[in-house]
Amino acid sequence: DTEVTQTPKHLVMGMTNKKSLKCEQHMGHRAMYWYKQKAKKPPELMFVYSYEKLSINESVPSRFSPECPNSSLLNLHLHALQPEDSALYLCASSQPQRGTEAFFGQGTRLTVV
Amino acid sequence: AQRVTQPEKLLSVFKGAPVELKCNYSYSGSPELFWYVQYSRQRLQLLLRHISRESIKGFTADLNKGETSFHLKKPFAQEEDSAMYYCALSGGYGGSQGNLIFGKGTKLSVKP
Repeated sequence: DTEVTQTPKHLVMGMTNKKSLKCEQHMGHRAMYWYKQKAKKPPELMFVYSYEKLSINESVPSRFSPECPNSSLLNLHLHALQPEDSALYLCASSQPQRGTEAFFGQGTRLTVV
Repeated sequence: AQRVTQPEKLLSVFKGAPVELKCNYSYSGSPELFWYVQYSRQRLQLLLRHISRESIKGFTADLNKGETSFHLKKPFAQEEDSAMYYCALSGGYGGSQGNLIFGKGTKLSVKP
């Protein structure tokens, strides 16, 4: 299995809602990532987990809260988002070394209304 | 600062023509560079990486440290090559060194 699976594929939420994005991989990768991709822009790194510990937080607002319950799962908890947070959220996984291939999920298309 | 520059937003060629997608980088140290591709309605996927020095789908890329470049080339473009291409640099900081810094991407359009 060489896939990264993200759920849901689409999500519409109000600014007062709480929701979660989920990501799963079974490739034995020990690094997992959240990227944010706005329309016609490249992916931008948000968070990195390495061996289930948060190793990088790219100054992301606290309304985004990541969680890595185990080596196969990665969640992104969302609360009190703004319309400008609407974007495609990509999950990726890899081995935690430079030069290794990152495998990306299909993404969750988030719309904040 | 670590940075990847792709100067062309859009590149349009005819089928059978040579293709070169430009990528320049800024990195203090030994860089790890990749080309990722995103076909329409498909997920982002690795095309090739400089350390493997392989040719994938007819594409090659050579790391030129003197010019800090990693241009992607293909001698004869095919219509199925139409996609968004991202050059990426392995960030190499923090607890994990697998995080990527992407260029802005070049959309390749191959016309019949």
